[in-house]
Amino acid sequence: QVQLQESGPGLVKPSETLSLTCTVTGYSMRSGYFWGWIRQPPGKGLESIGIIYHSGSTYYNPSLKSRVTMSVDTSKNQFSLRLSSVTAADTAVYYCARVGPIGVPAQLLYYMDVWGKGTTVTVSS
Amino acid sequence: SSELTQDPAVSVALGQTVTITCQGDSLRSYDASWYQQRPGQAPSLVIYYKNNRPSGIPDRFSGSNSGNTASLTITGAQAEDDADYYCYSRDSSGNHWVFGGGTKLTVL
Repeated sequence: QVQLQESGPGLVKPSETLSLTCTVTGYSMRSGYFWGWIRQPPGKGLESIGIIYHSGSTYYNPSLKSRVTMSVDTSKNQFSLRLSSVTAADTAVYYCARVGPIGVPAQLLYYMDVWGKGTTVTVSS
Repeated sequence: SSELTQDPAVSVALGQTVTITCQGDSLRSYDASWYQQRPGQAPSLVIYYKNNRPSGIPDRFSGSNSGNTASLTITGAQAEDDADYYCYSRDSSGNHWVFGGGTKLTVL
């Protein structure tokens, strides 16, 4: 059974860097699939942050691209998120997910089939 | 604002059929996946790529696409279907992936 678990500080100061790790169990990240981060501000909808492949290739949401770095450590079966220069607007529940690609290359689509339970990150001094 | 537009709220009587829609220019070319989020829980996948259901998802959930609209239909809604539903697909440029704003489904 594939499971994902987010970990990291629950409180980050404004202007600092948010760092989260997602640990994958029950599946080897080298076997395929992509891996993603999604967030949800309090009382609001879902926002895709980015997607990473086990090779390290990435896709970032253009609205966050200048502040986001994602990385993968297949030896630990983990992937990570760093979001720099955070403000109160970055306060959210952060989810990690397994991302499946599907469809022909010209019409490639992604879907998130396994999600972590989420971790709440508050940006406050 | 999202490039995928969903009605903020929809209601359905217990046992009746309800359709939740997601509109966007990109949906003329691309399919959508659908996610259910119950209060206090993480989202979960209910429909992906041409009406596929992950294992464990009841067959009362189905998906379809027509024109610029993707639809999630629940045939015979149950109390446990009371949740928020989000669509996910490419944006109008085709280069980025976005969620719809979400629809709160109330089962009466």
